[in-house]
Formats: sequence, structure tokens, C-alpha cells
Amino acid sequence: AQTVTQSQPEMSVQEAETVTLSCTYDTSESDYYLFWYKQPPSRQMILVIRQEAYKQQNATENRFSVNFQKAAKSFSLKISDSQLGDAAMYFCAYRSSNKLVFGAGTILRVKS
Amino acid sequence: ETGVTQSPTHLIKTRGQQVTLRCSSQSGHNTVSWYQQALGQGPQFIFQYYREEENGRGNFPPRFSGLQFPNYSSELNVNALELDDSALYLCASSLEWTGEHEQYFGPGTRLTVT
Repeated sequence: AQTVTQSQPEMSVQEAETVTLSCTYDTSESDYYLFWYKQPPSRQMILVIRQEAYKQQNATENRFSVNFQKAAKSFSLKISDSQLGDAAMYFCAYRSSNKLVFGAGTILRVKS
Repeated sequence: ETGVTQSPTHLIKTRGQQVTLRCSSQSGHNTVSWYQQALGQGPQFIFQYYREEENGRGNFPPRFSGLQFPNYSSELNVNALELDDSALYLCASSLEWTGEHEQYFGPGTRLTVT
């Protein structure tokens, strides 16, 4: 069974600084997708960024980028120029077929 | 384009009762997935419906059941409620069921069982 591990229950970052959230996963499959979702207090799960396992190039979406290390089964999220609106729970997720498998989440706090 | 909606927003039930949660999928989406998110945890996959048929189920007992209608909206039913069923229930719709299609989440229904 696939598992996703987020080892940082909570992280803090100063506004305008950079922070990296860690994620590792376990799978025996070769074709899959990885995601980072943001869940603010409003509860709405919002997709931040996705990575296809067959792509070697790391995905980037504006201030958000990933470091995807397939052999190490590692998928970290880097947030540059952090903003107050980035404060939320962040979930790493894995998907190969019909379901998403989520990690336990990392609470990100942004200090002004 | 209307996003994924869920109703009700929140509700309170007593142990042993039954509850029905509803989800309207995004326009054009034929797949709905349901997740349970306990407080402080990541969402757990309950099941998925594709074109009105169950298309995969997570590790949840049979008292969790679902339905998908011809317009692809969906219901989640939970019988014989237990205290541990208290959680945020999320539904997500996607264009198709396979992995390359993004799942779009609704705002969730907060269920409290007392």
C-alpha cells in the first residue's frame, strides 16, 4: 500500500522569506502523480502544485516549486517570498489511480 | 462554471442515528470521490463513484455507503453513527477517474456525533 509521510507537524517562516516543506512517500509503482494541497481555515482544499512521476523536470507555479527526487521518493515544496496568505495546513498527496493518499499535513505559520 | 458544492455545511447527530451528505460535482465531471478528514489529520479515501458505479473503496465499514445519480451528483450515507465518525467529509469531482485528471474539492461537511 502507498503511504505518504510529512515529518514536520508545524513550520514557521518570516514574511518574504523562503520555507521548504518535506514529504516522502512509499510505492512500488512507476507511474503516479504527486500533489501539494493547501487547506486554509475555510477548509477548502486547494491544489498548489502537481508533479507527474515520468517528468524529470521539477514543477513550478509562481512562488511555489518542488524538489522531486524519484529514486529517494522525496517530494518537497518550496515557497519563496512567503506571504501572510500562505498560512494554512499543507498536505502532500500521492495518486496512481482512483484515489489520493494524503500525508498528515504540515501547519505553516507566517510571521509579519 | 460552478464548482463543487456540498450540503449541509455542518450538522450534529446522535450516536446510532443515520446521516446523508450531498455533493454536486463540477459541470462536466463524471467522477466523485469521498474523503473523511478527522481533526488534525489528512483526508482518508472512503470510496469513488464513476458513471453511477462504485469504482474503488477505502478501508471503511459497510455502514458507509454511497450513491451517484445520472447528473453525477452524489450522496454519502452513514448508518449507525459512532463517535469516531465525527469529522470533516470532503467530496471531490474529476473529469474522469484516472490519475491524470485533477480532483476538485468541495468545502466539506462538518459532522459532529454526540
